Amino acid sequence: DIQLTQSPSFLSASVGDRVTITCRASQGISSYLAWYQQKPGKAPKLLIYTASTLQSGVPSRFSGSGSGTEFTLTISSLQPEDFATYYCQQLNSYPLTFGQGTKVEIK
Amino acid sequence: QVQLQESGPGLVKASETLSLTCTVSGGSISTYYWSWIRQPPGKGLEWIGYIYYSGGTNYNPSLKSRVTISVDTSKNQFSLKLSSVTAADTAVYYCARENYDSSGSIDYWGQGTLVTVSS
Repeated sequence: DIQLTQSPSFLSASVGDRVTITCRASQGISSYLAWYQQKPGKAPKLLIYTASTLQSGVPSRFSGSGSGTEFTLTISSLQPEDFATYYCQQLNSYPLTFGQGTKVEIK
Repeated sequence: QVQLQESGPGLVKASETLSLTCTVSGGSISTYYWSWIRQPPGKGLEWIGYIYYSGGTNYNPSLKSRVTISVDTSKNQFSLKLSSVTAADTAVYYCARENYDSSGSIDYWGQGTLVTVSS
């Protein structure tokens, strides 16, 4: 199975901050990576797929980059509704696997 | 707008079989892959497996010996059975759609249903 390691696991930030989350894969996965946002008690929501393609309806302050084994999710200006947990997921091979999550909390 | 809704018992006894059904509305189940994903309380996400409308399946090897996913295209439903459950199977179970047009990312999710395994 492909292991995904996110860093940091937790971050504290203020509204308006630029936030970057990293996801590292245990082996190369080309650009087959997705990012999700999950709020408490809710299902995850797809933000980005194929590493950098923004899902329809997702605000442009979210962006993704990377290929191979290292990927980043960037929120250019953190908004109050962005405080949540973020997961990466590899789409390169089955079984699909997720990172352990990064919780973004209000500073 | 595609919607998914899980249904089934919220409490299952240890060693018994967990059974859940997902009803898909707003779109046909005869395209895309239809998946089950679970999340233990306070923990991360685990992909369980998917089914295609034709009946083809792919399961997580960690659960393969205990998992069966089936589909009923006439009802636009698919189902999960997980046998010999233990407390470690307590989780929120989500049904979801894997969209191969977006490289298999999961673009629609059910709201999730908590299944607790009791001893």
